[in-house]
Amino acid sequence: DVVMTQSPLSLPVTLGQPASISCRSSESLVHSNGNIYLNWFQQRPGQSPRRLIYKVSNRDSGVPDRFSGSGSGTDFTLKISRVEAEDVGIYYCMQGTNWPYSFGQGTKLEIK
Amino acid sequence: EVQLVESGGGLVQPGGSLRLSCAGSGFTFSNYWMSWVRQAPGKGLEWVANIKYDGSEKYYVDSVEGRFTISRDNAENSLYVHMNSLRAEDTGLYYCATSADHSIIDWGQGTLVTVSS
Repeated sequence: DVVMTQSPLSLPVTLGQPASISCRSSESLVHSNGNIYLNWFQQRPGQSPRRLIYKVSNRDSGVPDRFSGSGSGTDFTLKISRVEAEDVGIYYCMQGTNWPYSFGQGTKLEIK
Repeated sequence: EVQLVESGGGLVQPGGSLRLSCAGSGFTFSNYWMSWVRQAPGKGLEWVANIKYDGSEKYYVDSVEGRFTISRDNAENSLYVHMNSLRAEDTGLYYCATSADHSIIDWGQGTLVTVSS
């Protein structure tokens, strides 16, 4: 099974400053069809998860453009250009290339 | 607006059974793969099972294979999971979700399953 490893697990950030979360997979996420099925989800306190990014770098509708995704192969990154108070929560990467689909452990973003 | 409403959670003894349901609305249910994802208390997310839009393909994470059965009724816009031989480690919030293109699009609010004696 594919293991997803996120770092850091805790991310204290000052309002207005950038933030970056790394996600590494135990094997390549390039599907046989050439796509890379790497997603990012945000889970605010007390809420269900919400998808932010799909296929590495595609932002979902309504997601602020301060969120961006990048990466290839086994190394991926979620970046927030300027953290706002509403960004507090836990961020998960998830691979959908190989079954069983799997999530990273989560990165808890908090405001300093 | 997509709505997914789970039900059926509760307290069950180890070795017991439970059936969770999910009612979908606001989208064409029969066009989507559907999934169950769970979250143990204070822990991360785990994809549990997946079913194709017509029910012809089903996939399970190893830890529930042979114990859980995912199913759907497109006429009723409903998703189910039958859970047998429940263990303490099955405790958690179970989310129903729409799936497409190897991802999850929308999530329900979840239903809590507690396995304890």
